[in-house]
Amino acid sequence: KAGVTQTPRYLIKTRGQQVTLSCSPISGHRSVSWYQQTPGQGLQFLFEYFSETQRNKGNFPGRFSGRQFSNSRSEMNVSTLELGDSALYLCASSAGTSGGLRFGTQYFGPGTRLTVL
Amino acid sequence: AQRVTQPEKLLSVFKGAPVELKCNYSYSGSPELFWYVQYSRQRLQLLLRHISRESIKGFTADLNKGETSFHLKKPFAQEEDSAMYYCALSLTGANNLFFGTGTRLTVIP
Repeated sequence: KAGVTQTPRYLIKTRGQQVTLSCSPISGHRSVSWYQQTPGQGLQFLFEYFSETQRNKGNFPGRFSGRQFSNSRSEMNVSTLELGDSALYLCASSAGTSGGLRFGTQYFGPGTRLTVL
Repeated sequence: AQRVTQPEKLLSVFKGAPVELKCNYSYSGSPELFWYVQYSRQRLQLLLRHISRESIKGFTADLNKGETSFHLKKPFAQEEDSAMYYCALSLTGANNLFFGTGTRLTVIP
């Protein structure tokens, strides 16, 4: 199976702009989670989508949003970019269905490196 | 609130020596614990999860609920083990991961 893909791989934006990142999960996976990775804060959970619905959300401001399409592909959007949004954004896909409250392994994409100038 | 602590940012061991990467967690419920690894220029990948009780690439980790620890161990380190290791926790009924800050392991030839 093809792995998780993310586009674009690199992005440079200026403060105040908005950006959209895309993630294509492994075929058959219905859950997509997004994480932000920075040197200062490490890996932090943004949100999870399952069957086009946001199922879980981390502690990020409303400028961070996402959506999932019927083919399980997901996008995340960051509006009014700030310098502190510079980070590696990772998405992870999993089967997402619970078997005894345990979910399948999360498989990560290569990430999108966002630089805000 | 849940928290994952990896006390060592950097760890260096000689090839053939035992290695232990420490992970402690805090969570009042019943967590699921994972170790993820990131080799140079590769994506983050699962190394092992406590519920499977597998040994992957010679690594093992035992969940100690009394000490709230999930330390990663390998009896004989190899050069190819050099990588960034992250301990992670997921909460009961939730499909998201809380990560520690990571430990960079360097195996010296």
